[in-house]
Amino acid sequence: QQQVKQSPQSLIVQKGGISIINCAYENTAFDYFPWYQQFPGKGPALLIAIRPDVSEKKEGRFTISFNKSAKQFSLHIMDSQPGDSATYFCAAKFEAAGNKLTFGGGTRVLVKP
Amino acid sequence: NAGVTQTPKFRVLKTGQSMTLLCAQDMNHEYMYWYRQDPGMGLRLIHYSVGEGTTAKGEVPDGYNVSRLKKQNFLLGLESAAPSQTSVYFCASTPGLAPEGEQYFGPGTRLTVT
Repeated sequence: QQQVKQSPQSLIVQKGGISIINCAYENTAFDYFPWYQQFPGKGPALLIAIRPDVSEKKEGRFTISFNKSAKQFSLHIMDSQPGDSATYFCAAKFEAAGNKLTFGGGTRVLVKP
Repeated sequence: NAGVTQTPKFRVLKTGQSMTLLCAQDMNHEYMYWYRQDPGMGLRLIHYSVGEGTTAKGEVPDGYNVSRLKKQNFLLGLESAAPSQTSVYFCASTPGLAPEGEQYFGPGTRLTVT
């Protein structure tokens, strides 16, 4: 039973385009929603994160949109660049459970020049 | 400051063999985690530790054991490897309880069980 569902599994976008990755969660106890970026052969690294009392957070070209009532959140990558080609994971965690992360299945993004 | 390191980087085991994966962090973090990564399934938590001498089960603990004898080290053991344990294993650490505490990941260990 996957508590965090992520889609799509992969996407191809042209340089300069917008990449959109969606996630849905089930457990309303989650209180923190990070996104991790992983390059081939490397471990994941934190990209951006949001708390559920905020509807949007922007850092440079990366934006998280959060819809608490729908239990959904998404990552938008604006002006996508070839260097953004990576696998992206959404995740959720709650403080009372040892700060454990529950990950989505991942989205492989390929940005074509 | 090396961050989180993992040993070894690659390993091939035969079914039934045992091995230990070592994770070390030099950031004085309290919490440490072991995940496995399989295609399409994201990262799944195997075991974790909230401090020296403590361990707890994660989502997929069967077939694995862990130990945290020193704060900076977290060991993952496979007593009798099975082909289903072929995966990439990641260790992570975080300072403590704060939700905003970023988990820092190691570079991973690719394990193949034949």
